[in-house]
Parts: sequence; C-alpha cells; structure tokens
Amino acid sequence: DAKTTQPPSMDCAEGRAANLPCNHSTISGNEYVYWYRQIHSQGPQYIIHGLKNNETNEMASLIITEDRKSSTLILPHATLRDTAVYYCIVSRAGNNRKLIWGLGTSLAVNP
Amino acid sequence: EAQVTQNPRYLITVTGKKLTVTCSQNMNHEYMSWYRQDPGLGLRQIYYSMNVEVTDKGDVPEGYKVSRKEKRNFPLILESPSPNQTSLYFCASSLRGGSEKLFFGSGTQLSVL
Repeated sequence: DAKTTQPPSMDCAEGRAANLPCNHSTISGNEYVYWYRQIHSQGPQYIIHGLKNNETNEMASLIITEDRKSSTLILPHATLRDTAVYYCIVSRAGNNRKLIWGLGTSLAVNP
Repeated sequence: EAQVTQNPRYLITVTGKKLTVTCSQNMNHEYMSWYRQDPGLGLRQIYYSMNVEVTDKGDVPEGYKVSRKEKRNFPLILESPSPNQTSLYFCASSLRGGSEKLFFGSGTQLSVL
C-alpha cells in the first residue's frame, strides 16, 4: 500500500475552514484514500474516503487532485471539538486488506 | 445505538497475571480487529478475525491470544502480561473487511507493573 506524508501539526481558528493536506505520490489506481480522526486517546473515528472524485459528507469534504498524488481534507467551519489527530491512509479495498496507520496531523482549533 | 464496546476502560495489573479485555459489537459485523497504540508508533494491528472461528495474526501478535466463538464478541487475552504490553488498546469492527469503514471502541488503557 502507498505511503502517505502529512504535516505533524496544524492550527486553525474556530469558525474558519481547516484544510489538512496529505501527500500520497506513490498511490496506485485501485487504492482509496481514507481519513480518520482521533480525539484525545478516544477510538479513531471514520470521516470520509474516496477513489478519484471529490467526496462530501456531513463531516467533511475530500478533494483529490487529478493525478491522485495528493488530497486535502476540508472541515468547512472548524469548531473546538474538531481538535484531534487526523490520519490520512491509502489502501486497496478488499476483505484481506488492512489500513496502515501513520502518526497523522495534530490539528489544534483555537478560539 | 450502533457501537463497539470495550471493557474495562482502565486496567492496572502485575506481571504474569492473566487478563482478558472484552470487545463486543452490535452491528452484525463480520470483521473485528485489535490494535495497540504507543507514543510515536501509531496504531499497530495485533490480531484480526474475518468471521466466526476465523482469526489471524496482525503485525504484533506475540504475547496475545484471541478467540471468535460468536460473531459479536472478540476478546483479547494476555496470558502472562509483561510491562512491554503497557499500552492503549482498541477494538474495531467493520461490515466485511479490514479496509472498509472501521468502527472503534473507546479504548482500554492497560498498565502492567
């Protein structure tokens, strides 16, 4: 599975959009991009995933570049409760696949 | 409410004293897995199960056992805990596979003295 690179930490002002980048330059055609977050030692929480097209759900938007070598997770109006570690993971779909977890980006949303 | 329930939340024990961490899910998921999380290392998979009576080793299985006698339960057993198993443990489940949307429990902080 492709490796991902994320900045170790980021800051964002409350109410503003948080844009979290992820680089996955070795991604192959059948690999998905997954995003999870972990709030202060709680269990990780699934946010969103995508293959090629941009995706949006009630939590966030996922923008994947046309060459698929990078992506951005967008939290449109960040709140203090969005302070967490955000993980970007690339993996092929399939029952025998597993997600390889890196160290993620620690996002601090400031008042 | 759909959830993965782990117990206990906190556990302090001594070296060599057998313990079990329970995990239960109410979503009829086929796939369940155990992870440990240590500072600077991220989440590492211990064991996983694709279905009842089917279990397999993850990346760090030494010192752990699991069983999957029922679909909803996937206990993690430490037969002789050692201090290097002090860690934060998470159970997770998904509908079918390990790369699908995973649902995590709230974690078990284990300290082995």
